[in-house]
Parts: sequence; C-alpha cells; structure tokens
Amino acid sequence: DAMVIQNPRYQVTQFGKPVTLSCSQTLNHNVMYWYQQKSSQAPKLLFHYYDKDFNNEADTPDNFQSRRPNTSFCFLDIRSPGLGDAAMYLCATSRDLEGALYYGYTFGSGTRLTVV
Amino acid sequence: ILNVEQSPQSLHVQEGDSTNFTCSFPSSNFYALHWYRWETAKSPEALFVMTLNGDEKKKGRISATLNTKEGYSYLYIKGSQPEDSATYLCASSWDQGGKLIFGQGTELSVKP
Repeated sequence: DAMVIQNPRYQVTQFGKPVTLSCSQTLNHNVMYWYQQKSSQAPKLLFHYYDKDFNNEADTPDNFQSRRPNTSFCFLDIRSPGLGDAAMYLCATSRDLEGALYYGYTFGSGTRLTVV
Repeated sequence: ILNVEQSPQSLHVQEGDSTNFTCSFPSSNFYALHWYRWETAKSPEALFVMTLNGDEKKKGRISATLNTKEGYSYLYIKGSQPEDSATYLCASSWDQGGKLIFGQGTELSVKP
C-alpha cells in the first residue's frame, strides 16, 4: 500500500546533539510537510516542500532545518536540540497544494522525540 | 492570528452514547475545514473535508456539519464504540496554499 513512513517511531537524543528525523513516501506526492506537536497543543507547521521549493514558516526557529533530496524522502534536522524541542513530529504529504485543500493530507505515524 | 479552537479537550463516554464536539475558526477568508481521526500509534486519517457553508458529510456513524458564516463545525458520533476512541483533530485553511492550521484536538475515550 502507498503510504508515508516515519522513522524512527521514538527517538531519544541528548541536549545539544544534532538529530535527524526521516520521512519517506510511496505516493509520489509533490508536497511534503513537517508539523511539530507538543503535549496538549495543536500541531504546528514548521515548513513544507513543494517539489524542491522549500517554504519555511516565519516563526520556525533557525535550529530546525529540512532537506528533500528526492521526491520520496524528506528529513528534519534539529541542529542543537533543547528540552523545549521534545515533541511529536508529524510528516504529511499531499499531491499538490490545491489537492491538500480538497482531499486532505496523508500522514505518517509520527516520531516522538525526547531530549535528555 | 489564525487560530483553530476545539472543545472539549477530552471526553469520556460509555459505549452506545452519542457524542459531539466543536471546532471554531475565524470565518473571514475561510477556504476549507478538515476533520482527522488519530488513533494511538497510528497515522492521523482524514475523515471529512468541507468547504461550503451548510455542508454536511457522513461516514457510517460519524457525521460533520459546517457553518462558515459563524465559524464553526460540529463532529457527531452516533452510538459510540470503543474503536471510536481516538483524538479528533480539525484543521482549517484560509487560502489556496495548501497549509492547514490545526486545533489542539479532542481526545475521545469510549468505555465498554
């Protein structure tokens, strides 16, 4: 089945140690999104890629970066994780921007990041 | 600031109870409203996408309505079952750019 896969399911990293979360998709969707959800809060959009075009949200900290080497893969890099970066990180895809509005996102199951 | 609010934050019901929860959003320049169901350890799954005022959608025992003039949507579950236990997220968009703003979710627990 076509799907969005996030690895790992759980990630523990040390304070200040760079960490990378990965997302892959077999849907051949053009758009990939990264959301951060802290405990009891709404998922918050960090950035998205439309094909190779990177779109950063204005309030996304510089500590967060993303790479999309090809259509299938997208990575979230946290350069120096702080305790406040502990959260669930969700990857989502959509066929295109308009498709996202009419058909919704396809999500991965998320990576829960713990910072110790 | 575009903000989506959901209430209640959590809900505990008995099997067979019907329940509903609310999603509120700014009504100006509204474009689309989405509902997702997110079961523990699984991916959020799209339930409904609505764009027009007065839209009503139904999937089995779950239905949703949309009022874009006053900025709210209701999700109804008729005869709740334990397998309905999940977090229900709503999300809205105010442009064609594909970005969704999410609410914090309503966590539903259905006891047998």
